Amino acid sequence: EPEVTQTPSHQVTQMGQEVILRCVPISNHLYFYWYRQILGQKVEFLVSFYNNEISEKSEIFDDQFSVERPDGSNFTLKIRSTKLEDSAMYFCASKGREVTGTQYFGPGTRLLVL
Amino acid sequence: AQSVTQPDIHITVSEGASLELRCNYSYGATPYLFWYVQSPGQGLQLLLKYFSGDTLVQGIKGFEAEFKRSQSSFNLRKPSVHWSDAAEYFCAVGGGNTGTASKLTFGTGTRLQVTL
Repeated sequence: EPEVTQTPSHQVTQMGQEVILRCVPISNHLYFYWYRQILGQKVEFLVSFYNNEISEKSEIFDDQFSVERPDGSNFTLKIRSTKLEDSAMYFCASKGREVTGTQYFGPGTRLLVL
Repeated sequence: AQSVTQPDIHITVSEGASLELRCNYSYGATPYLFWYVQSPGQGLQLLLKYFSGDTLVQGIKGFEAEFKRSQSSFNLRKPSVHWSDAAEYFCAVGGGNTGTASKLTFGTGTRLQVTL
């Protein structure tokens, strides 16, 4: 069964450093998402992406964040200058063509900012 | 704005007992409702979803959920819990009317503990 993959599984970085989280969505999916889950809290929406542009973003997704689909398979989330409060599990998700389709989640990247 | 409330933070049941996890939602149009399960250190796995039609939906691992529009609820049930069901369960709502890339809004989750 096709699945969403994410790399790395864990990343430790220093405050102020740039990080790039990578995701490979399910092939032929068209809608892509990033969510995050701070330890012990609920999963929060960050951004959705369709047709090579952002469809919607949350208040969390400020100028420090960016997303890109650099080729036909990868979907990345970049945090330019990490803060301590960016420490969280970051989930990528993808969805197929139909509006009522399910979002399939990757296993997540655990980011720790020191 | 859409929102989801899971009033039970933590539930403990005995193996073999029945289970019901509560979920209430707020959404301005027809809601699309989901239950996901997260095992420790793992990602989110879809248990079941409701879009339209029959209000009782069946999912994987023997779970089912019932959509009750009048109560704005989508409670998850299982008749007989297994020790392997111990995990965190998230209810989520997403709209189909607000755009094709509509986001999911999650509840705070219910942590299920199963005693032997």
